[in-house]
Amino acid sequence: GENVEQHPSTLSVQEGDSAVIKCTYSDSASNYFPWYKQELGKGPQLIIDIRSNVGEKKDQRIAVTLNKTAKHFSLHITETQPEDSAVYFCAATGFITNAGKSTFGDGTTLTVKP
Amino acid sequence: DGGITQSPKYLFRKEGQNVTLSCEQNLNHDAMYWYRQDPGQGLRLIYYSQIVNDFQKGDIAEGYSVSREKKESFPLTVTSAQKNPTAFYLCASNQGVGELFFGEGSRLTVL
Repeated sequence: GENVEQHPSTLSVQEGDSAVIKCTYSDSASNYFPWYKQELGKGPQLIIDIRSNVGEKKDQRIAVTLNKTAKHFSLHITETQPEDSAVYFCAATGFITNAGKSTFGDGTTLTVKP
Repeated sequence: DGGITQSPKYLFRKEGQNVTLSCEQNLNHDAMYWYRQDPGQGLRLIYYSQIVNDFQKGDIAEGYSVSREKKESFPLTVTSAQKNPTAFYLCASNQGVGELFFGEGSRLTVL
């Protein structure tokens, strides 16, 4: 089955700096790669996603890049703010080999210091 | 307001008891999922259902059971066979290969 590795597990940055979280996946048939943000005691919420036919996607301060050859994708947050502090999860989803299920990384706890 | 409603938010169980977590969605999604979350770990799939009256085991189904009698509802029962049930449980739904919509979660503690 699919295996997703996420790094780093914790990340601390100063307000205004950039943050980068990286994920690798194993199943070359995966074709949908979402990123979720989870605040304490709540369910995760989608912040950005990318499909396999696209190399990069940007939404204001958040961007995701995908390298299908190397099987890795990354989340970039620029001009970080204290409200960006949360746990971030990457996931890989494949319809053909994984019946549309998402396999998640172990999460990255991001702390943005004022 | 469309979304996923989980209840109860907090639940305490004595050893040997079965408990049922409720999950209801009004998004008209075909697929529903149950995930377990432990500290420092990602979301692990317990069960999923892609259509009414059908469901499949996920990666950690032992000690759990589900039913899908209605499109809107996907309850999870944590049975006494689950040896380490203390965790945060998340229900989600989606349509096709796309964004998962999560509920607010249920925290189960074994006394």
